[in-house]
Amino acid sequence: GAVVSQHPSRVICKSGTSVKIECRSLDFQATTMFWYRQFPKQSLMLMATSNEGSKATYEQGVEKDKFLINHASLTLSTLTVTSAHPEDSSFYICSARSPDRDSGELFFGEGSRLTVL
Amino acid sequence: GQNIDQPTEMTATEGAIVQINCTYQTSGFNGLFWYQQHAGEAPTFLSYNVLDGLEEKGRFSSFLSRSKGYSYLLLKELQMKDSASYLCAVMGSNYQLIWGAGTKLIIKP
Repeated sequence: GAVVSQHPSRVICKSGTSVKIECRSLDFQATTMFWYRQFPKQSLMLMATSNEGSKATYEQGVEKDKFLINHASLTLSTLTVTSAHPEDSSFYICSARSPDRDSGELFFGEGSRLTVL
Repeated sequence: GQNIDQPTEMTATEGAIVQINCTYQTSGFNGLFWYQQHAGEAPTFLSYNVLDGLEEKGRFSSFLSRSKGYSYLLLKELQMKDSASYLCAVMGSNYQLIWGAGTKLIIKP
C-alpha cells in the first residue's frame, strides 16, 4: 500500500533555532499533504494543508511565519518550525491522501517529536 | 458549527466485545473514518464508511447512519494490544478531515 515517510522521528533543539521536518510519499504522488500537531492525550490538530506548487493553506490560529510549509514536489512537503521555543515542543504528523480518490484514505507519516530546550 | 463527539475513555475485558460510538455534525459529508493510535505513534487506518450500513473487517466492524449522524466501531475478541486511542474523523465538504478527540480504550485481563 501507499507509504508516507517522515523524518526525523525525534529532534531536540535549542530555543531560537529552526527545525525542518520532511514528509515524503514513497510510492505515489501527493498533490495535497496535511500537517498536524498533537499535544499529549489530545486529538490531531490540523495546522495546514500543503498544496504542491502553491502556497499552503493555514488553519485559523496557526502562524504562517512560524510554521513554514513548502511542497516543492509531488512527493515531498517540508515543515520548518522557525525560531523554535519550548511551547513548540509537540508531536508533528504529516499525511497524504490516497491516490484512490474514492477511498479517501489518509496515509500518515510516522510522526516527529520535537523537543525545544 | 462542526463537531465530533465520542467518549473520552472506555474499559473492557480481554476476549470481550466493545462498541465505541461517534456522533457528528458537519457541513458536508464525504465519509467517516476510524483510526487507531497507540501512544506516541501516528494513527493507523481501520475503516472507512460512506454509505449506511455495517462494514466488517476481521475483528473490527464499523457502522454508519448518515441520517442520524452516527457511527460506531465494534471490536470483537479483544486483545491486550487493542489498548489504544480510537479516533473518529469525518471528511467534510472540502475533503479535509474533522477529528474527534479520540476514545482511550483500556483492556483489562
